[in-house]
Amino acid sequence: AQSVTQLDSQVPVFEEAPVELRCNYSSSVSVYLFWYVQYPNQGLQLLLKYLSGSTLVKGINGFEAEFNKSQTSFHLRKPSVHISDTAEYFCAVSEHTGGFKTIFGAGTRLFVKA
Amino acid sequence: ETGVTQTPRHLVMGMTNKKSLKCEQHLGHNAMYWYKQSAKKPLELMFVYSLEERVENNSVPSRFSPECPNSSHLFLHLHTLQPEDSALYLCASSPGASGGAWEQFFGPGTRLTVL
Repeated sequence: AQSVTQLDSQVPVFEEAPVELRCNYSSSVSVYLFWYVQYPNQGLQLLLKYLSGSTLVKGINGFEAEFNKSQTSFHLRKPSVHISDTAEYFCAVSEHTGGFKTIFGAGTRLFVKA
Repeated sequence: ETGVTQTPRHLVMGMTNKKSLKCEQHLGHNAMYWYKQSAKKPLELMFVYSLEERVENNSVPSRFSPECPNSSHLFLHLHTLQPEDSALYLCASSPGASGGAWEQFFGPGTRLTVL
């Protein structure tokens, strides 16, 4: 069965500092990987996704993530964060089997301080 | 209206009430989803409809009853809920008639409180 672990429930960081949000998954088959962001009082929106090909994926708002198959990880990074990046970030996995089940992690709260 | 809309945004109900949550997508997508989001827990997939047919039902209690009358609308009918059902209920849609690689587009959610 699939599972997703986000290793940090909260990450405080100062403005303009770099940040990494960690995500590990487990699955017995090949997977698609996603990062979503949720701002207060809003639904989730896609930051980036890995389907195939290059393991370094670039997304919106200056975020990028790297797929590491051997370590079953898909960590999210940004070289310099802004106050407006304060939000909840969710890693998600779905299998290549064509089904609809996407498994989400519990989320990481990124708090950017001035 | 654009994207995925949900009404109401907030709902307070007693355990004996019957209410419904509504979701509408204006994106021409083929699949629609209901999720439950509780604090500090992963999103829980409740139901998925593809081309108006239910394709996922994740062991959800029968006090939650979904309805998908057409590809643009999705309802979640609620009756005799429990306080532990209090949560944010999110609706989403995705383009494909089969899942996996497709990005999901989420509505803003309905914040449900059961007294």
